[in-house]
Order: sequence, then structure tokens, then C-alpha cells
Amino acid sequence: DAKTTQPTSMDCAEGRAANLPCNHSTISGNEYVYWYRQIHSQGPQYIIHGLKNNETNEMASLIITEDRKSSTLILPHATLRDTAVYYCIVSGRIQGAQKLVFGQGTRLTINP
Amino acid sequence: DAMVIQNPRYQVTQFGKPVTLSCSQTLNHNVMYWYQQKSSQAPKLLFHYYDKDFNNEADTPDNFQSRRPNTSFCFLDIRSPGLGDAAMYLCATSRDRKTQYFGPGTRLLVL
Repeated sequence: DAKTTQPTSMDCAEGRAANLPCNHSTISGNEYVYWYRQIHSQGPQYIIHGLKNNETNEMASLIITEDRKSSTLILPHATLRDTAVYYCIVSGRIQGAQKLVFGQGTRLTINP
Repeated sequence: DAMVIQNPRYQVTQFGKPVTLSCSQTLNHNVMYWYQQKSSQAPKLLFHYYDKDFNNEADTPDNFQSRRPNTSFCFLDIRSPGLGDAAMYLCATSRDRKTQYFGPGTRLLVL
């Protein structure tokens, strides 16, 4: 399973863009990059995923480098409710299903 | 709204007393997963069901078992809970290898 490396913690001011980096240098050609977040004492919430193209949805944008060895999650206008642990995961394959191996993630704190 | 539901949200059990956690889903997904998340750690996959096929992770203790009586429901059974089994237990579902969606979790306390 490809491993990911993320900063342990980050701070961002409310209303600014939060840019969360992730390194996944051992990713293989058919593995997706997934981002989830977990607000304290809740289940992980799906944010976005991509294979090689940049992706955008109503929550965030995902920028994947051309060599696919790193990516950045962008929350365009961070609010206090975006304070959470953000997990960057390279998905693997198991019997008929998807394997998510969670690392320690980035603890993002949005400051007023 | 389609969702993953876990009941109860908090469960207290005694050391060595069997306990069952439940998960249900209205997404009609064919894959259901159970994760364990200990305090200040990341979630860790215990096992998953692909349709009716049970798939155990290699390092999941024998103390943990699961049942899936139908597409919508999946249960996690802990046969003899120890203090080290206190954790948040997360259920997730997916359609084959597509995106997983998580429930709110059940926090298990072992006294």
C-alpha cells in the first residue's frame, strides 16, 4: 500500500484559503488519492478524490502534480467548521473492495 | 437522506462480557467495512464484507467477528472485550471499489 506524508498540524485564518499538502511518492498508476476529514468524535467525512487530473467539488479542490507524487487539498474559504483532522489516503485494492490505510493526518485549525 | 447509521452511539460493557455493535445503511452498497479507532490514533480496518463474502485483515484479533444477515445490516461482535478494545468503531460502505462513506461511529467503553 502506498504511504502518504502530511504535516502534523497547520493553522489558517478564517476566510482565507487553506492549502494542505500531501506526498505520496510510491503511488502506482491505478491508485486514487482520497481526502477525508474527521471532526472531533465524528466519523470520517469524504471530501474529494482524484486519479491524475485536478478535481473540484462544492467542498474543495484537489491539485495533483503531473508525476502524481504529491497533491494539495484546497479549501477556498475556510470557516471555523473546517477545523478537523484531514487525511490524505492512497486507496488500495482488496477483495472486491477498496482499502483505505489512514495515516496520522494533518490537524487543521481555523482561527477567527 | 441515504446514510450509514450506527447504534448505539455510546456503548458501555464489562470486561469479558460479549458485546455487539450494529450498522445499517440505506445506500444499497454491496461492501461494508468495520474500522477500529483508538484514542488519538487513525482508523484501522478490521474486516469487510464484499456482498456475503467475509474478508478479515491479517492482524485483526480472533476476538472480533462480524455478521451480515442482509445487504443493509452488518454487526460487529466482540466475544470477550478487554480494556484494550475500548475505542471508536466505525462502519463504512461502498459500491465495489468506489468511495467509502462512514457512519458516525460507536464509542465503546470497557469497564
